[in-house]
Amino acid sequence: NAGVTQTPKFRVLKTGQSMTLLCAQDMNHEYMYWYRQDPGMGLRLIHYSVGEGTTAKGEVPDGYNVSRLKKQNFLLGLESAAPSQTSVYFCASSSAIMTGTSYNEQFFGPGTRLTVL
Amino acid sequence: AQTVTQSQPEMSVQEAETVTLSCTYDTSESNYYLFWYKQPPSRQMILVIRQEAYKQQNATENRFSVNFQKAAKSFSLKISDSQLGDTAMYFCAFIKNRDDKIIFGKGTRLHILP
Repeated sequence: NAGVTQTPKFRVLKTGQSMTLLCAQDMNHEYMYWYRQDPGMGLRLIHYSVGEGTTAKGEVPDGYNVSRLKKQNFLLGLESAAPSQTSVYFCASSSAIMTGTSYNEQFFGPGTRLTVL
Repeated sequence: AQTVTQSQPEMSVQEAETVTLSCTYDTSESNYYLFWYKQPPSRQMILVIRQEAYKQQNATENRFSVNFQKAAKSFSLKISDSQLGDTAMYFCAFIKNRDDKIIFGKGTRLHILP
């Protein structure tokens, strides 16, 4: 059981380049999330998905796009990278809120450090 | 909107001492959950402890315990007999009942000194 994995672990981009971060989970979780972590800012939600084929905006969605074509994968895309997108990106997943449950623990991937020059 | 505030950006304590990390939050909800996450230098996010708002009893996990003051909207983390492996960034977090989004504080960087 690998849990939540992220590819790549590190990446350096030039301004204007594009890239896709891949998140994969093998826990059959319904919900998946993308966060960015910046010094002094904590984790901020970029986009999330509550099921295959669905996506929704989080707190800081501008400049990013996402897709959830398969339940186990959640992709984060940067179409034209900017230095302001230099950050550590975390993916997380959780099972769905079911009748009788009040929240479900989020499981985090190891993070991707992205530098945009 | 909910907010989570951690007023201590950085702290240092000697090994074996007890340390308390502060967290306050703002919400109009009556039913919610609070968490402390640990992020060591490896960057992995680890859930340390959680507290259900409807429970008056403070949660405890081995050397980690919380002081939950619902009326004051305060949720502090106490680490007893601190160890070098406790060196990490600690995040306080909040989620409403049956919501799907967690709100994180900005974190407290804790250094345990030998």
